[in-house]
Amino acid sequence: GAVVSQHPSWVICKSGTSVKIECRSLDFQATTMFWYRQFPKQSLMLMATSNEGSKATYEQGVEKDKFLINHASLTLSTLTVTSAHPEDSSFYICSALTSGGPSYNEQFFGPGTRLTVL
Amino acid sequence: GQNIDQPTEMTATEGAIVQINCTYQTSGFNGLFWYQQHAGEAPTFLSYNVLDGLEEKGRFSSFLSRSKGYSYLLLKELQMKDSASYLCAVSDSNYQLIWGAGTKLIIKP
Repeated sequence: GAVVSQHPSWVICKSGTSVKIECRSLDFQATTMFWYRQFPKQSLMLMATSNEGSKATYEQGVEKDKFLINHASLTLSTLTVTSAHPEDSSFYICSALTSGGPSYNEQFFGPGTRLTVL
Repeated sequence: GQNIDQPTEMTATEGAIVQINCTYQTSGFNGLFWYQQHAGEAPTFLSYNVLDGLEEKGRFSSFLSRSKGYSYLLLKELQMKDSASYLCAVSDSNYQLIWGAGTKLIIKP
């Protein structure tokens, strides 16, 4: 199946700093990518939908000025957590949408990025 | 509103069969996905149903009834490595995935 990579796989940063997470579709082009956040023992929570060449669509309650999303090419989307705080510590997962055939669009997930803010 | 319900936790014995149920209410329907997620890892795709009926793939099968808003994932010949969370997700009218909270499956020897 299609492969999605994320970098870094884990990061530890100080409170107040910014962290950039990259999501790449390695063998296909993705016009749409999704960013999720997952806290321990909880399900995935959609943060935003990223469309190549246009502004991201943020879910209710997600601060767009704090979580900057850039989808500059068909294979790369970035999420920047600005002025990170300990409560931003979480598992961030991206997925890329591909046309899997005539009947559905499947999301392929990256391996996730574990962010710990001290 | 949109809602996906699945049991929080289930326990089964190695070698046995387990069925994980999922009921949903969403705005539009473009298919239902089941994902497996091991702790600390991203979800991995297991199955997709868009038409009513049973889809079989090896030890795993998934069933869908659109009229009832119901699906189940059936795992046969359980192995210890099947211990994981199983997430039910529905693709809505905008092809956005609406996620259930996941079912933690514990396999005992």
